[in-house]
Amino acid sequence: EPEVTQTPSHQVTQMGQEVILRCVPISNHLYFYWYRQILGQKVEFLVSFYNNEISEKSEIFDDQFSVERPDGSNFTLKIRSTKLEDSAMYFCASSVGKQSMNTEAFFGQGTRLTVV
Amino acid sequence: SQQGEEDPQALSIQEGENATMNCSYKTSINNLQWYRQNSGRGLVHLILIRSNEREKHSGRLRVTLDTSKKSSSLLITASRAADTASYFCATFIYNQGGKLIFGQGTELSVKP
Repeated sequence: EPEVTQTPSHQVTQMGQEVILRCVPISNHLYFYWYRQILGQKVEFLVSFYNNEISEKSEIFDDQFSVERPDGSNFTLKIRSTKLEDSAMYFCASSVGKQSMNTEAFFGQGTRLTVV
Repeated sequence: SQQGEEDPQALSIQEGENATMNCSYKTSINNLQWYRQNSGRGLVHLILIRSNEREKHSGRLRVTLDTSKKSSSLLITASRAADTASYFCATFIYNQGGKLIFGQGTELSVKP
């Protein structure tokens, strides 16, 4: 069964460093998303991406964050200068379409980011 | 205001019992989805119910949707210890970029 894969599963980084979280969405999906979950809190939307551009972003997704689809398969989230409060589980998701009553998003296993 | 709020926040039952979790939301939606998350792991999609549907079944799961009350419920019948997890409802509104808005979740503990 196709799945969304994320690497690495756990990343530890020093405050102020840049990190890149990687995702390989399901191959025929067109919409891609990043969500995050701070420990013990709800899953929060960060950004959606379609046709090589951001469709929507939340207020969390400030100038420190960027997304890219550098090739036909990868979808990355970059955090330019990490802060302690960026520590969270980051989930990538993808879906076939947006304008559909049946849009189901498939999530990866997540990358646990720890900023020290 | 919060979109997608579950109750109870925590639920503890014995194996074999049924578990019911509720979700309320505030704005009109296109569909509502339920996800499961084992501790520290990824989100697993359980079931999607569209705004024009009232009830849906999948194995031991039954989901209802009442758009007039803006609420949904997830029923797990004949629960098993392996059902222990957090369960989240997520609402989908396609004219808002196709994002899902998650609730806080219900932590279900099924004791053997």
